[in-house]
Amino acid sequence: AQKITQTQPGMFVQEKEAVTLDCTYDTSDQSYGLFWYKQPSSGEMIFLIYQGSYDEQNATEGRYSLNFQKARKSANLVISASQLGDSAMYFCAMREGTEKLVFGKGTKLTVNP
Amino acid sequence: DGGITQSPKYLFRKEGQNVTLSCEQNLNHDAMYWYRQDPGQGLRLIYYSQIVNDFQKGDIAEGYSVSREKKESFPLTVTSAQKNPTAFYLCASSIIAAISTDTQYFGPGTRLTVL
Repeated sequence: AQKITQTQPGMFVQEKEAVTLDCTYDTSDQSYGLFWYKQPSSGEMIFLIYQGSYDEQNATEGRYSLNFQKARKSANLVISASQLGDSAMYFCAMREGTEKLVFGKGTKLTVNP
Repeated sequence: DGGITQSPKYLFRKEGQNVTLSCEQNLNHDAMYWYRQDPGQGLRLIYYSQIVNDFQKGDIAEGYSVSREKKESFPLTVTSAQKNPTAFYLCASSIIAAISTDTQYFGPGTRLTVL
């Protein structure tokens, strides 16, 4: 079974608008971490934001926020005020306890001027 | 500047050859990782190392080998036994491998093409 599911292969957003990228996960562990990475066309994976399973508040980092709904097992990334430079692949990943990091297949975001 | 460097950026290999991809970090991280990325896919773990002179296989270790003689360096060798090596290879590091909160930071990647 897929541990991380990203159901949107591609998303489009107008510049300056907000966009939500979906991520659902599957785990029976109580302790886990959720990560979002951005991969521009250059290829480097850039860490954006982290959410721990015990964190009570949603994580935020600048224009990025994570909408964490534990009961639904979802960890959606919200990008506010989109910029042209936000166009990239976005990957959701999870680590259960001390296990390895598992990645979803990604969502390609295109920001239109 | 602290960071992770990978070289070369592009690598071409003839069938039957072994090639070695370099990964160096100056972040003083204990753990290092190698991932493979195929088009339209997420990352898959090849090998990881939590400490010098020790490493563990990931999900797709067959046809690859690694060494960890120095904390800063974790080279990956793609051997001739790897049936389909054409892919994008990413190296990462983290402070500690065994904590769920620990963030992995990535290098710029090496694109390997078999001719």
